[in-house]
Amino acid sequence: GEDVEQSLFLSVREGDSSVINCTYTDSSSTYLYWYKQEPGAGLQLLTYIFSNMDMKQDQRLTVLLNKKDKHLSLRIADTQTGDSAIYFCAEKVPLSSNYQLIWGAGTKLIIKP
Amino acid sequence: SAVISQKPSRDICQRGTSLTIQCQVDSQVTMMFWYRQQPGQSLTLIATANQGSEATYESGFVIDKFPISRPNLTFSTLTVSNMSPEDSSIYLCSVGQGPNYGYTFGSGTRLTVV
Repeated sequence: GEDVEQSLFLSVREGDSSVINCTYTDSSSTYLYWYKQEPGAGLQLLTYIFSNMDMKQDQRLTVLLNKKDKHLSLRIADTQTGDSAIYFCAEKVPLSSNYQLIWGAGTKLIIKP
Repeated sequence: SAVISQKPSRDICQRGTSLTIQCQVDSQVTMMFWYRQQPGQSLTLIATANQGSEATYESGFVIDKFPISRPNLTFSTLTVSNMSPEDSSIYLCSVGQGPNYGYTFGSGTRLTVV
């Protein structure tokens, strides 16, 4: 079945770049998303990429998509303490006449001073 | 993007009771989704709620346990019935806003069953 995998933890120093990786198995995905969840909060859509793109940049965020390898990454430049959160990747895949989201388990980003 | 108001934000409930969670959206949306996020885990879709029809439940979730109402295009409720400690989770509602947009989430309801 469909599967999305992420590392559970990533630790980086403040000011460095963070790269969070995600792999998926369903090649019919149309969109891929990155969500951020801060402690005790809901999910915030950070960015998304259409499946026919290979890169998208939005301020400190860079999304890279390697469709051949089914690999998605989120790079956060100049990581700040406010970036501490769990980051979820999700892919949107067709299901019957509709769509479904397949979620990764989330990567907890830990910022070291 | 849509703004979702979800209530309550948290609750502590006795086992055997029921809790109804409400989500109000500031714009009309066709589909609303209800998710469960168990401690330390990812999101699991409970059901999809379309206005004017019965909700579609995912495998492992049944209407008797999680009845859903969708009376109009801006509002939905999820009830967690006959609760047990295993129902302790965060429950989130979400809306999709068309194929070119992502999904927006409510702030979640943190439920603890004692």
